[in-house]
Amino acid sequence: NAGVTQTPKFQVLKTGQSMTLQCAQDMNHNSMYWYRQDPGMGLRLIYYSASEGTTDKGEVPNGYNVSRLNKREFSLRLESAAPSQTSVYFCASTRREGFSTDTQYFGPGTRLTVL
Amino acid sequence: QKEVEQNSGPLSVPEGAIASLNCTYSDRVSQSFFWYRQYSGKSPELIMSIYSNGDKEDGRFTAQLNKASQYVSLLIRDSQPSDSATYLCAVDRGNTPLVFGKGTRLSVIA
Repeated sequence: NAGVTQTPKFQVLKTGQSMTLQCAQDMNHNSMYWYRQDPGMGLRLIYYSASEGTTDKGEVPNGYNVSRLNKREFSLRLESAAPSQTSVYFCASTRREGFSTDTQYFGPGTRLTVL
Repeated sequence: QKEVEQNSGPLSVPEGAIASLNCTYSDRVSQSFFWYRQYSGKSPELIMSIYSNGDKEDGRFTAQLNKASQYVSLLIRDSQPSDSATYLCAVDRGNTPLVFGKGTRLSVIA
């Protein structure tokens, strides 16, 4: 049982390059999330997927796109990276049924630097 | 007013003391409350959840919830240097993603 996995762990991009961050969970969770964390800013929600087949914008969606590939996998794409997207990115998942929320588990994070 | 507010710290306590971390929230429909611990360079991990008014104890940790006053707190008894981390408060308003505070950095001095 690996929990939530993310790839890659580290990445350096040049401005304008594109990349996809991968996330997978093996806990049969229906809800998945992408956050970014910057010093002093806390966790900020980029996009989320409440269930397979749905995605919604979070607090800071500009410059990102997501795909809920199946129940296990939720990817985050940067089409044209900018230095402002330098951050640590966390994927998370949980099981939600109506107003009930189980523990939300986080992946180990991807540390992205955009030069 | 921010949805979930925490004092950023750092909160410094001597080893063996009680550390008290506080969190206030603005949305009265909030139903569930969580405390996550995040070590430097690591991802957040859940340490406590609380759903009803009052206290909930788990080992050295006690979560306290007061819905009327809209605050939730975390007490850490017999603080250890290994408790040094950032503690994130998260609030569930129901059917929407968790809302996280910015976290309080705790430093336990040996």
